[in-house]
Amino acid sequence: QVQLKETGPDLVQLTQTLSITCTVSGFSLTTYNVHWVRQPPGKGLEWMGAMWNGGGTDYNSAFKSRLSISRDTSKSQVFLKMNSLQTDDTAKYFCARLRRNIGTTTGYFDYWGQGVMVTVSS
Amino acid sequence: DIRMTQSPASLSASLGETVNIECLASEDIYSDLAWYQQKPGKSPQLLIYNANSLQNGVPSRFSGSGSGTQYSLKINSLQSEDVATYFCQQYNNYPYTFGAGTKLELK
Repeated sequence: QVQLKETGPDLVQLTQTLSITCTVSGFSLTTYNVHWVRQPPGKGLEWMGAMWNGGGTDYNSAFKSRLSISRDTSKSQVFLKMNSLQTDDTAKYFCARLRRNIGTTTGYFDYWGQGVMVTVSS
Repeated sequence: DIRMTQSPASLSASLGETVNIECLASEDIYSDLAWYQQKPGKSPQLLIYNANSLQNGVPSRFSGSGSGTQYSLKINSLQSEDVATYFCQQYNNYPYTFGAGTKLELK
């Protein structure tokens, strides 16, 4: 069955770099796009970026050049890396699989990981 | 960016009642809209996609409607397990954007 699982640190120091791994099973990264979405405590959802099935990436400009997404298809893993962390980056970080509408590059998230809660500490 | 305005922010309803949640997009999103349910401590779960298509396994008491900039999620005959926060999301244009959420509680 389809599964996504995020692994990463609970705590990151102010201005340091966050690295999270999303390990997927039940589908291929060369067939489906995997996206990253975050949710600050008690708040809404924010789309961060995407790893396309063809290997390209797309980023929310809100993160400017802080964010990097990559993958290792042989390990079925997608990586999120974000630098210069601030306290308002404290959030639960989710990876999610995109189901594309036929004939388009857009779609909705049909499977989500359980998320990893990251606290940025000063 | 497309702004998604969701209302109400919170809602209290009785078991068996019908509930409506609205989502207004800042521009036409051509029915590229999904609804998710999120229970405390859990990840969002897809309920509705393409504005009105029910995701496999989701109870038929959930339904979606709308077009253009206005969309709604309807829950018929509210059950206790429907207590959750509901989010709308547009996927017509990047960056994908979400509504702020509607917290549904039992009266």
